Amino acid sequence: NAGVTQTPKFQVLKTGQSMTLQCAQDMNHEYMSWYRQDPGMGLRLIHYSVGAGITDQGEVPNGYNVSRSTTEDFPLRLLSAAPSQTSVYFCASSYSGTGYTFGSGTRLTVV
Amino acid sequence: AQTVTQSQPEMSVQEAETVTLSCTYDTSENNYYLFWYKQPPSRQMILVIRQEAYKQQNATENRFSVNFQKAAKSFSLKISDSQLGDTAMYFCAFDAYSGAGSYQLTFGKGTKLSVIP
Repeated sequence: NAGVTQTPKFQVLKTGQSMTLQCAQDMNHEYMSWYRQDPGMGLRLIHYSVGAGITDQGEVPNGYNVSRSTTEDFPLRLLSAAPSQTSVYFCASSYSGTGYTFGSGTRLTVV
Repeated sequence: AQTVTQSQPEMSVQEAETVTLSCTYDTSENNYYLFWYKQPPSRQMILVIRQEAYKQQNATENRFSVNFQKAAKSFSLKISDSQLGDTAMYFCAFDAYSGAGSYQLTFGKGTKLSVIP
């Protein structure tokens, strides 16, 4: 099925560990982005990309890295996990304002 | 920077009745999009309805319709004939051209809607 695929769905990390959240879309969308959702905060933008090779920071980028080597993939890297990064992470893709398609989310717990 | 405000943290409605969720936003942009997203307990973010700022006609999708007041920067969602499956968090979101060829969603904090049998 066409859409946005996120892996893993759940993850527990120890403080200081690193990991990569994977995101792939098969709709040939230009725009991809990562959001985090915390209770009472809505979704906040971490990083986004307007095409392969182009990325930029969103509202809450600290502690995260991204790269976009292909149109399809947009991984999010946690460099040194901290308890403050416990959250639900969503990847989304869009074709120029038509509405964003979201992945099913990754629930990350940092202990 | 854009802001989106949803002033109703929680609402409830009887099954088959109508409910309206409020959303206001602040922006200096003239060209933008507005969305309502639904998030059921499954956590999936589902697009409910989309409005383009340059269109005066209010968007409608089956039982869902919006009241878009551009001058007042208001974008409310009306759900008619509420169903149990409408129970979810609803997020209002704003998407503006940021000048670098990118669109970025700004979300409100959400309204938790409960449909009561």
